[in-house]
Amino acid sequence: DGGITQSPKYLFRKEGQNVTLSCEQNLNHDAMYWYRQDPGQGLRLIYYSQIVNDFQKGDIAEGYSVSREKKESFPLTVTSAQKNPTAFYLCASSSSGDPYEQYFGPGTRLTVT
Amino acid sequence: KNEVEQSPQNLTAQEGEFITINCSYSVGISALHWLQQHPGGGIVSLFMLSSGKKKHGRLIATINIQEKHSSLHITASHPRDSAVYICAVPTSGTYKYIFGTGTRLKVLA
Repeated sequence: DGGITQSPKYLFRKEGQNVTLSCEQNLNHDAMYWYRQDPGQGLRLIYYSQIVNDFQKGDIAEGYSVSREKKESFPLTVTSAQKNPTAFYLCASSSSGDPYEQYFGPGTRLTVT
Repeated sequence: KNEVEQSPQNLTAQEGEFITINCSYSVGISALHWLQQHPGGGIVSLFMLSSGKKKHGRLIATINIQEKHSSLHITASHPRDSAVYICAVPTSGTYKYIFGTGTRLKVLA
């Protein structure tokens, strides 16, 4: 079955540690996205990538980093510079054809204490 | 004013009621996406539509591109329909979505 996988579902880290969230898709999509969602709030775009080896900052990129070495994978690193990293992180992907329908992964809930 | 606005923000209904959620947008679009998120859950795609109407089970989505308005209808609502419903529009040329504020629906048994 085609889809997007994110692992793990729940992640716990100590403050000051970097942590990398995994996102893999087998939909052959060119574009991939990372969103952050805080309780009771909407989605905010962290980073997106339209093609391998290229990515752009979204609205809240500070304290995060990404890489896009393979078409299928778009890992997100939450660095110690991110002041409030505890949140629900969602990955999505879309084809490169208009209207770029996005498909979402199940999400990773990160808790930093 | 947000470029994509939803109404109502919150909605409580009794089981069996017909529900309508509205989405209005001010940007030019080629399509609109309806999404569903259950409490604590991921996001599920309901419909992507660029004209007319689409139906899947008890869900119906309509769009009027000229009037810049879309509606999501739920017939014979059920408590399992309780979720946040989000409309989103892809921005042409940038691959990014503009999200509506979401409608929090609670269906009581």
